[in-house]
Amino acid sequence: QVTLRESGPALVKPTQTLTLTCTFSGFSLSTSGMCVSWIRQPPGKALEWLALIDWDDDKYYSTSLKTRLTISKDTSKNQVVLTMTNMDPVDTATYYCARTMVVAALQAFDIWGQGTMVTVSS
Amino acid sequence: DIQMTQSPSSLSASVGDRVTITCRASQGIRNDLGWYQQKPGKAPKRLIYAASSLQSGVPSRFSGSGSGTEFTLTISSLQPEDFATYYCLQHNSFPWTFGQGTKVEIK
Repeated sequence: QVTLRESGPALVKPTQTLTLTCTFSGFSLSTSGMCVSWIRQPPGKALEWLALIDWDDDKYYSTSLKTRLTISKDTSKNQVVLTMTNMDPVDTATYYCARTMVVAALQAFDIWGQGTMVTVSS
Repeated sequence: DIQMTQSPSSLSASVGDRVTITCRASQGIRNDLGWYQQKPGKAPKRLIYAASSLQSGVPSRFSGSGSGTEFTLTISSLQPEDFATYYCLQHNSFPWTFGQGTKVEIK
């Protein structure tokens, strides 16, 4: 069974750096074709894709946020970490991680974590 | 970046109605598109991948079609559990982009 779970602080102050961890099971990020993405959703608003890391350690980022984001993986711990610098109240959102597989064709976000709500406030 | 324009942004429908939601891409994306359903307070759930392939376990009343720049999600007979918000996602090229969502409400 494939599961993903996000963890991190519920509250951060403006200008601080946010660090979120996605801990997963049921697959390995060292397996060819496996990827993990981060997606966020401000309250009452649409989903926004943030970043992706693949089995080969290739990394891709949102154009508007790429200067603030870093995605990394720890294959031995089955974890993907997202850091976002210089947090602002507009970054208040639920943050999700989700799996993508490249199997014959690319299959995006077949499994999602439950999400973690992050509030940015002083 | 590829822009995904989803319409309508909301709709009211009755149980049993046929519902169609459209996503238009700002440039061709082949069939690199998925559809996701999200209920309040829950993570999204994938319904359709590769524009028209039904995710395992998803009822057959859901279907997807399209290729290139225009895509549709159809619910053939709306059920009470289908009232939710629906999103399209293009994964043809980075950065991946979602549509703005369509909220399906009870009439």
